[in-house]
Amino acid sequence: DVKVTQSSRYLVKRTGEKVFLECVQDMDHENMFWYRQDPGLGLRLIYFSYDVKMKEKGDIPEGYSVSREKKERFSLILESASTNQTSMYLCASRLNRGRNEKLFFGSGTQLSVL
Amino acid sequence: QKEVEQDPGPLSVPEGAIVSLNCTYSNSAFQYFMWYRQYSRKGPELLMYTYSSGNKEDGRFTAQVDKSSKYISLFIRDSQPSDSATYLCAMTKPGNNDMRFGAGTRLTVKP
Repeated sequence: DVKVTQSSRYLVKRTGEKVFLECVQDMDHENMFWYRQDPGLGLRLIYFSYDVKMKEKGDIPEGYSVSREKKERFSLILESASTNQTSMYLCASRLNRGRNEKLFFGSGTQLSVL
Repeated sequence: QKEVEQDPGPLSVPEGAIVSLNCTYSNSAFQYFMWYRQYSRKGPELLMYTYSSGNKEDGRFTAQVDKSSKYISLFIRDSQPSDSATYLCAMTKPGNNDMRFGAGTRLTVKP
């Protein structure tokens, strides 16, 4: 089975802190994604990466950056956390973009910014 | 108007009931349709995956796609308390990186 592991289940940070969310997948998937999930808004795409060192902005990239130095690891960075970034963050991976393969999700990180 | 609309519920049914969950969408280019199930404090897990129009059945679950109406459905037969979760519809275009999700319908099946 595909396993997508997010490093933290719960995080509490202060406004202005730099925050790192880590995600690792173990199935050699090419594509990786970061979403945030808010009540009533569903999942919104922040960034995705279709290969190592490659990244593209999603719908809501403002205030976020990403890093993909190795194929299995995709990091989401909040440069200066703000209260409106309190949310559930979900990482996902997919085998290959051209074939519309299914997304596999991690368990999520619930981030609270105080 | 959102690209994908899904009634957030909540929906509460007795054990054994047939459940119908639905989504509508506006972009006719969507070709791949999925249903994800998300338990509380967990990430979504893929439940059903269909391409273009038609029906797909897997045990107690049936997914239907009606592209002419831009309408997809998930039916759950003989619902169980373990089916209590949030159900998210999702869809994407061919060769596209961006999957669009509904807001999710929260379902409770009462014993």
